Amino acid sequence: AQSVTQPDIHITVSEGASLELRCNYSYGATPYLFWYVQSPGQGLQLLLKYFSGDTLVQGIKGFEAEFKRSQSSFNLRKPSVHWSDAAEYFCAVGNSGGGADGLTFGKGTHLIIQP
Amino acid sequence: SAVISQKPSRDICQRGTSLTIQCQVDSQVTMMFWYRQQPGQSLTLIATANQGSEATYESGFVIDKFPISRPNLTFSTLTVSNMSPEDSSIYLCSVATSGRTDTQYFGPGTRLTVL
Repeated sequence: AQSVTQPDIHITVSEGASLELRCNYSYGATPYLFWYVQSPGQGLQLLLKYFSGDTLVQGIKGFEAEFKRSQSSFNLRKPSVHWSDAAEYFCAVGNSGGGADGLTFGKGTHLIIQP
Repeated sequence: SAVISQKPSRDICQRGTSLTIQCQVDSQVTMMFWYRQQPGQSLTLIATANQGSEATYESGFVIDKFPISRPNLTFSTLTVSNMSPEDSSIYLCSVATSGRTDTQYFGPGTRLTVL
């Protein structure tokens, strides 16, 4: 069965500092990988996704993620965070791009931005 | 991307009653999914709803407890039956327009509290 591990429950970063959120997955074949963000009282918004090809994926809001098959990881990065980035971040894996199957989510990482 | 609305946005219900949650999309979509997000937890897939066929439930979820309707390509309902406090969660619907590589888009969620 597929699974996703987000080792960090909470992360605190100063505004303007760089950010890396960790995600490890367990999946038998080449996975479809996603990062979603959930702001307070909001639904989930897709930040980026990886299906195949270039292992460095660019997303919205200045985020990027790198797929590393050897490490079963898909870490999310941002060079300089803004106070508006404070939110819950979820990594997810799927059997497909999302169009045919449900997704398996990690437990999330709560990002706190210090002024 | 699809614009998704859910009704109600939140509700407080008594033990033993049922609540029907509506999910409306502004365009025709192939797949609709229902997820549960328990307090402080990640999202768990409840079922997949295709138009014109019975919903497919994940392990641990049964139709008697979570009946789903999918009468057309823009609308679905999830009923939480015979509720108990353990059903207190955020319930989210998501949609995918077509194909395996399509992205899943999420609604804003329905926050349910059972007393």
